[in-house]
Parts: sequence; structure tokens; C-alpha cells
Amino acid sequence: KQEVTQIPAALSVPEGENLVLNCSFTDSAIYNLQWFRQDPGKGLTSLLLIQSSQREQTSGRLNASLDKSSGRSTLYIAASQPGDSATYLCGGVNNTDKLIFGTGTRLQVFP
Amino acid sequence: GAGVSQSPSNKVTEKGKDVELRCDPISGHTALYWYRQSLGQGLEFLIYFQGNSAPDKSGLPSDRFSAERTGGSVSTLTIQRTQQEDSAVYLCASSLGGRGDTDTQYFGPGTRLTVL
Repeated sequence: KQEVTQIPAALSVPEGENLVLNCSFTDSAIYNLQWFRQDPGKGLTSLLLIQSSQREQTSGRLNASLDKSSGRSTLYIAASQPGDSATYLCGGVNNTDKLIFGTGTRLQVFP
Repeated sequence: GAGVSQSPSNKVTEKGKDVELRCDPISGHTALYWYRQSLGQGLEFLIYFQGNSAPDKSGLPSDRFSAERTGGSVSTLTIQRTQQEDSAVYLCASSLGGRGDTDTQYFGPGTRLTVL
């Protein structure tokens, strides 16, 4: 059974810092790994999707990597801004096509 | 273009009542998913529709929960005889073809259900 863990559970950093969010999964037989952000009271916004054959994806200040052999994915946020404050969720898709989510990292970036 | 929409955005009901939650997926998306987000359980899968295939109901927590998808588009999640532990945010997502390896799932804003 796939289990997804995110560390840290919460993170507070000053504006401008580069930061790394971690996601680990127990079953390496995943098809893809998605990173989402969730603002309070809102739904999920897809940030990046990494297919199992890929090692990383980049979008703007965001870079996500995937290492299936170690069961890990990281989301790197460069030059963080207060607008990045949100909860970040990772989710793995296996052969059942449904997302198994981690518990999230709550990020606060203060000015 | 329009994203995934859900209605109502908020629903307050009394214990024992039935509720219906609606999801309109992105036009042309053949795969539709329901998830539930609650304080104690995080985000968990409920049910998955892919085209005309039989739905994957493996995540439904009890037989009080059911869902249907009419005409391959709109979906309704029904909870019968609601209980307080059903209180959660119910999220719907859709993807283009349901291919787990390539397809991004796009989420709606959710329906916040409160059972008194």
C-alpha cells in the first residue's frame, strides 16, 4: 500500500530564501508525482507533474525532482515570496490512476 | 477555458439527512475523481470514473456513499443519512484521459460539508 509522507509539516522563512520541501513514498512503482499548492479555503492548484521516466520538472521559480529508487521527490522554491505562502501537497499516482496524497507542508514566507 | 466547478461551495445539513454534491469537469476530460479532505485524515481518494468503464469505488468509506456520472460529464456524489464524521471538504478533479503516467489532475474549489 502506497504511503506518502511530507517533511517538514510546517515551515516559516523570510522572503528571499531558497527552500526545499520533501516528499517520500513507500512504493516505487509510481506512474507520476504531482505537486500542488492549496490556499486556505481553496481547492488544489497543480504546480508540476513529473512522469516516472523523468527526473525533474521546472516552472519558473519552482523545480521538482523525482528519485524513484529512493522513493523521494523534492520541490525547490527559489527566491521565496510572501505570495508563496500556502500548503504544498505532493501526490503519487500508481497503476490505479488515483492520487495518494501526503499530509502537506504548510509554508509561510514573511516579508 | 473553464476549470472544474463544484456546487454548492458550502453545505450545512443535519445529521441523518441526505446530501448531493455536484461536479462539472473540464470539457473533454474523460476521467473524473472524487476526494475528501478532512482534518483527521488528510486528502483521501473516494471514487474514480474513466470513460464508460465501471467506476473504481474502492475509496468509498461506507455504503452510505454513492456517485454517478451521467453522459460522461457531470458527476453527483450522494451521501445518505449523513453523520458528523462526514464533515469534510469534498474535492472533485478531472483529467484528460485518465492515464496515470502523463495526465495532470485538475481540481475544483471543493464543497465544504458540515453535518450538525
